[in-house]
Amino acid sequence: NAGVMQNPRHLVRRRGQEARLRCSPMKGHSHVYWYRQLPEEGLKFMVYLQKENIIDESGMPKERFSAEFPKEGPSILRIQQVVRGDSAAYFCASSPTTGSSGRAKNIQYFGAGTRLSVL
Amino acid sequence: AQKITQTQPGMFVQEKEAVTLDCTYDTSDPSYGLFWYKQPSSGEMIFLIYQGSYDQQNATEGRYSLNFQKARKSANLVISASQLGDSAMYFCAMREPLNNAGNMLTFGGGTRLMVKP
Repeated sequence: NAGVMQNPRHLVRRRGQEARLRCSPMKGHSHVYWYRQLPEEGLKFMVYLQKENIIDESGMPKERFSAEFPKEGPSILRIQQVVRGDSAAYFCASSPTTGSSGRAKNIQYFGAGTRLSVL
Repeated sequence: AQKITQTQPGMFVQEKEAVTLDCTYDTSDPSYGLFWYKQPSSGEMIFLIYQGSYDQQNATEGRYSLNFQKARKSANLVISASQLGDSAMYFCAMREPLNNAGNMLTFGGGTRLMVKP
């Protein structure tokens, strides 16, 4: 029962380095979402992607952050020139295709998250 | 304005007793979904239960039930027969509208539940 897979679980970067976070959705899911969680807060939406398309990036910071979901391979969240304020848990979620039953397609299933620490 | 409000930052419950975690929401869209997720200390986000705005009955999943009061815009989570493993953060979330497959979830600030032995 392969759920949403995220790696790495923990990532340590120095200021100015790049961070690449990977997410493989559940089998049969074509919608991928990225969320960020600051300490002691709820999750905040960042971006929604389908294969090869960014559908909604309204929650993404305008600079240094980018996301992709290529035809082959996992979705990638990339943070360039990281700063201390980027330290957070980054979660990926996936949901089924639009062909699924109404109830099933509304549920987003989350990975275990990547905890990014910027030194 | 907050779309999802969880007014209880922390709650204690005695093992084997029931507990209600509050959640109120704000939307003008008639089509929406309400979700509860559990986040244990290990950090993962675990889906618990879902309620659609047009569902006729309150959702139930094992020991979890959702007390959905549409007129009051509340979607409280009820956990029956609490277990020590229920100690975790609990997040209420909303998705609106439901007819678009990719809409984001909006989360509340969470409630930390601690089950006492």
